[in-house]
Amino acid sequence: EPEVTQTPSHQVTQMGQEVILRCVPISNHLYFYWYRQILGQKVEFLVSFYNNEISEKSEIFDDQFSVERPDGSNFTLKIRSTKLEDSAMYFCASKSSRLAGLQETQYFGPGTRLLVL
Amino acid sequence: AQSVTQLDSHVSVSEGTPVLLRCNYSSSYSPSLFWYVQHPNKGLQLLLKYTSAATLVKGINGFEAEFKKSETSFHLTKPSAHMSDAAEYFCVVSDAGSGNTGKLIFGQGTTLQVKP
Repeated sequence: EPEVTQTPSHQVTQMGQEVILRCVPISNHLYFYWYRQILGQKVEFLVSFYNNEISEKSEIFDDQFSVERPDGSNFTLKIRSTKLEDSAMYFCASKSSRLAGLQETQYFGPGTRLLVL
Repeated sequence: AQSVTQLDSHVSVSEGTPVLLRCNYSSSYSPSLFWYVQHPNKGLQLLLKYTSAATLVKGINGFEAEFKKSETSFHLTKPSAHMSDAAEYFCVVSDAGSGNTGKLIFGQGTTLQVKP
């Protein structure tokens, strides 16, 4: 069964450093998402991406964050200058099409646990 | 705006007994509702989803949920808990007001503990 994969599974970085979190969505999917979960808190939406551009972003997704689909398979989240409060589990998700609208299932990867020291 | 509230942060049951995880939603639209499960060190897996076709929704591993509009609820149930059901469960609504990007709005999560 196809699945979303994410690398690395864990990342430790120093405050102020740049990190890139990588995701490989399911191959025929068209919509891509990043979510994060700070320890003990809700899973929060960060950004959605469709047709090679951001379709929606949350207030959390400020200028320090960027997303890219550099080739036909990878989908990356970059944090330019990490802060302590960026420590969280980051989930990538993808879904296939808009035809089923809001009912379409999003498939999630296993997450990357980011720790900023 | 859409939101979901999971009424219990932690539920503990004995193996073989029924499971009830409670979720209330708030939505000004006809909502699309989901239950996801997260096992330790695993991704979020879809258990079931409500798509307005039927109010009683059956999912994987014997779970089901009933959409009750009058109570704005979407509680998750299973007749008999198994040890492998121990996990974190999330009630989720798809945000209808976001230009159809379909971002998901999560509840706080309920940790299900299953005792032998």
